[in-house]
Amino acid sequence: GAVVSQHPSRVICKSGTSVKIECRSLDFQATTMFWYRQFPKKSLMLMATSNEGSKATYEQGVEKDKFLINHASLTLSTLTVTSAHPEDSSFYICSASDPGAKNIQYFGAGTRLSVL
Amino acid sequence: AQTVTQSQPEMSVQEAETVTLSCTYDTSESDYYLFWYKQPPSRQMILVIRQEAYKQQNATENRFSVNFQKAAKSFSLKISDSQLGDAAMYFCAYRSRITDSWGKLQFGAGTQVVVTP
Repeated sequence: GAVVSQHPSRVICKSGTSVKIECRSLDFQATTMFWYRQFPKKSLMLMATSNEGSKATYEQGVEKDKFLINHASLTLSTLTVTSAHPEDSSFYICSASDPGAKNIQYFGAGTRLSVL
Repeated sequence: AQTVTQSQPEMSVQEAETVTLSCTYDTSESDYYLFWYKQPPSRQMILVIRQEAYKQQNATENRFSVNFQKAAKSFSLKISDSQLGDAAMYFCAYRSRITDSWGKLQFGAGTQVVVTP
């Protein structure tokens, strides 16, 4: 299957700082990428849908000013957690839809964020 | 809105044996995709198998096969000849082909598969 790279895999930051997570599709162009949050032993919760060249669409209850998403190119989307607090500590996963494969979603390896 | 239900929080299977994971979904649509994803301890989500609703034939990928019952809205996954590497959380997912062209997925709660030697 297609490869999606997510970086960093783990980040520890102080409360009040901002953290950027990158998601890249390595062997296909993704007009649509997704950002999820996953709590321990739970399913994936969709946070937002990121479309290249336009504003992201956020799911209900997700603060768009807290979780800034930028999809500036067909291979890169970024999620910035602004003014992070301990309650933002979680596992964040990105995915990208491969238009050449009927928009199957391929996933990054995830980022574990710990806010002290 | 569509919902996906996985009623088995955990399933245990011995090596070389077969295990079946259940998944049901609720939709009024006729055209959609169904998927099984695997999330091992590394937490990397891996696509296991997919099924297009308009295809009557059940999808198969090596030791993984599905039993797709469209009228019953059921999509179970069978893992044959289970291996230790199959131990993971398995998620069933639904994707509309009508209301969402972006490929948005609706996930079930997941089933943890434990493989014993």
